[in-house]
Amino acid sequence: DQQVKQNSPSLSVQEGRISILNCDYTNSMFDYFLWYKKYPAEGPTFLISISSIKDKNEDGRFTVFLNKSAKHLSLHIVPSQPGDSAVYFCAASANEKLTFGTGTRLTIIP
Amino acid sequence: KAGVTQTPRYLIKTRGQQVTLSCSPISGHRSVSWYQQTPGQGLQFLFEYFSETQRNKGNFPGRFSGRQFSNSRSEMNVSTLELGDSALYLCASSGGDRGGETQYFGPGTRLLVL
Repeated sequence: DQQVKQNSPSLSVQEGRISILNCDYTNSMFDYFLWYKKYPAEGPTFLISISSIKDKNEDGRFTVFLNKSAKHLSLHIVPSQPGDSAVYFCAASANEKLTFGTGTRLTIIP
Repeated sequence: KAGVTQTPRYLIKTRGQQVTLSCSPISGHRSVSWYQQTPGQGLQFLFEYFSETQRNKGNFPGRFSGRQFSNSRSEMNVSTLELGDSALYLCASSGGDRGGETQYFGPGTRLLVL
């Protein structure tokens, strides 16, 4: 049972445009959400997080939106840069455990 | 502050062998979690250790085990290796007082089972 789903395995975006990565979850007990970025042959790097009491958190070019009623999380990257090409994982926390999605490979086209 | 370190970075084993992977968390972090990453499967949670005790466990067979030492360093052991155990094994650490916090990952150990 995949409680955290990233339904798009890949996404291509032109450099300078906005990248929107989506994540859906099923467990209403999740109270903390995170996004990680992963380059090949490296461990995931923490990007940004949001608590369930908020609906938006911004950090530079990265903004995470949370829609609790829809059980939907998104990461916006604007403007997209070539160095943003990586695999992005969303994660959700409940019962003192993190559950990860399967990842979306983002490719930024110069 | 140094990040999470994992050794070895690469490992080749044959079926039936056993393997031990090591993880040193960020200084001051007391929680260490282990994950398996395979293509298309995302990050599958193995287990989490906090203060030398296993605090959470994923759905992996008993061939996968771990432990944590008093200095918070952790080891993961896989016995009777199978071809399907070939994967990237990631370790992550967090402050740890409450599970499910932001975790910081090491570079991983890539295990190939032949």
